[in-house]
Formats: sequence, structure tokens, C-alpha cells
Amino acid sequence: QKEVEQNSGPLSVPEGAIASLNCTYSDRGSQSFFWYRQYSGKSPELIMFIYSNGDKEDGRFTAQLNKASQYVSLLIRDSQPSDSATYLCAVMRGSQGNLIFGKGTKLSVKP
Amino acid sequence: EAGVAQSPRYKIIEKRQSVAFWCNPISGHATLYWYQQILGQGPKLLIQFQNNGVVDDSQLPKDRFSAERLKGVDSTLKIQPAKLEDSAVYLCASSEGPTDTQYFGPGTRLTVL
Repeated sequence: QKEVEQNSGPLSVPEGAIASLNCTYSDRGSQSFFWYRQYSGKSPELIMFIYSNGDKEDGRFTAQLNKASQYVSLLIRDSQPSDSATYLCAVMRGSQGNLIFGKGTKLSVKP
Repeated sequence: EAGVAQSPRYKIIEKRQSVAFWCNPISGHATLYWYQQILGQGPKLLIQFQNNGVVDDSQLPKDRFSAERLKGVDSTLKIQPAKLEDSAVYLCASSEGPTDTQYFGPGTRLTVL
């Protein structure tokens, strides 16, 4: 079982719709969870992080964490074509700050 | 605030040649990371420094890869000799501390022919 799993997509949604990106992880001891956005040919940039069970909202983005199910998701409301990118889920293990990344989900928002 | 700087941005070499990458982290960031990102994959940590000491190099292929951060600021990553499978983007990231947000540089795209 891979440590961090994501559906590679592509996930295609129409402009204005809600995009839902999902991620599961295998290590129950994981403490912190991150969503990075990576445009083609660019480096990853942090969108959100979440530590506690439940929802965390930041503008059009909502991260959801369920530690019992080892599941973390990212919702993007009112999706825009500029949101088209690969979204990387990352899990931090231990106190050293090691980030384990999933393969990423490619999102395409169609005008 | 200046971001993480990396050079070169692109490099093409033949297999068995050597190559070196340079990274300058965000000022004041004590923790520095080198990641390898193969096309279609997420970044994979190669080595993590805290100041000038190595915290984790468990996934660094030490027979061919080496890295240093002598003065606790800039870092270099070297590959010698390169293999075809080393073709990837090499990303440098830095953070204030080991559990703080990591900020990535633009990366170096390496092609090994």
C-alpha cells in the first residue's frame, strides 16, 4: 500500500462547479496534512494545511480531515479555469518534518 | 521577501557525466530540503538539512548522489555519475523549522541522455 494515494485523474469540471479532490494515507501517526498546487512546469505552492479533524476554510478552498478514516480532501468552490493544475496531497510524519507526497490529481476546469 | 533560488534551471548531460545543482534558501530558514520529482510523480525527499547538519538522507542514493550545506545557508546537490533514470526535476525547499511550511524553489530540470 502506498503511503499517500490520490486519484491521478484527470478530473474535469465545468467553470463555477465544485471540484472535489481526495487523498488517503496509510500511517495513522501522521499529524499534519498539506495541499499543494502545481502548475505545469512550475514548482509546488502551498494552498492549505490542516491538523485537526473537521473542515478548514480559506476563501474558495476547504480542506477536510478525517483521521479515523485516514482521509483528507480539498474542495474548490466556484472553480475557475485558472484552478487547472495538479493538486498534490502531502502528509507530514514525525517531528522531523518529512513530507510524503502523493502522485497528484490533475484538475481541468472547462470554461 | 525573496524566495528560494536555484540554478541552473535546465541541464542536459550524457549518462556517466557529473552535474551539480545550487540552492539558496529564504533568508533565515534553518531547514533545507532537496526533492526529486520524476514526471507524473509527486516530489520525493532526497535529503533534509537542519542548519548545516543532515537530518534525513535515507532516500538519497549515496553511491552517486551527495549534498552539502557547509555554512548552513546555500546548498549543493551533486550527481556523479548520472544515470538515465536520474532525469527529473530537482526541487529545493526551505522552511523556518522542520515542521513549518515548506517553500519551493523553481527547480532544476535535468535530462540525462
